[in-house]
Amino acid sequence: GENVEQHPSTLSVQEGDSAVIKCTYSDSASNYFPWYKQELGKGPQLIIDIRSNVGEKKDQRIAVTLNKTAKHFSLHITETQPEDSAVYFCAARKWGSQGNLIFGKGTKLSVKP
Amino acid sequence: SQTIHQWPATLVQPVGSPLSLECTVEGTSNPNLYWYRQAAGRGLQLLFYSVGIGQISSEVPQNLSASRPQDRQFILSSKKLLLSDSGFYLCAWSRQGSTEAFFGQGTRLTVV
Repeated sequence: GENVEQHPSTLSVQEGDSAVIKCTYSDSASNYFPWYKQELGKGPQLIIDIRSNVGEKKDQRIAVTLNKTAKHFSLHITETQPEDSAVYFCAARKWGSQGNLIFGKGTKLSVKP
Repeated sequence: SQTIHQWPATLVQPVGSPLSLECTVEGTSNPNLYWYRQAAGRGLQLLFYSVGIGQISSEVPQNLSASRPQDRQFILSSKKLLLSDSGFYLCAWSRQGSTEAFFGQGTRLTVV
């Protein structure tokens, strides 16, 4: 089955700097890769996703890149702000599978003002 | 618009007591429904998912069970809680054939 590895587990940056979180997946059949942001005591919120027919997707300060050959994808946050502080999860899933998002273990991002 | 409701937000239960967590989705029909558990410092582990009324798939063997008595209602239960059942439980939904999953606000369960 699918296995998703996420690094780093914690990340601390200064406000205004960029943050990069990386994930690798094992199942080459996976073709959907979302990123979730979870604030303390709340459920995860989808912030961006990418499908395997796209190499990069950008939404304002957030971008995701996908390398299918290497089976890894990354989240890039530019011009970080204190409100970006949260736990970020990557996930992978096969198109058409009834399941099931397989999640990484999360990255706790702290943005210091 | 679609919304997902999950309650209670927090729950403290003694070992051996029963459990019932409820999740409902509004604004859509025939959704896929999911229960996840998030242990402290760990990722989200899928416990159960359902593609329709009465259809439940279990991903991991455990002390918990799930039921879907109505199209947009998903219930997580246990007859006798264990200390190891403590965690943050999340309900989620997705449209049939869609890949995006949307999460509820979660229930923090502490078994004492």
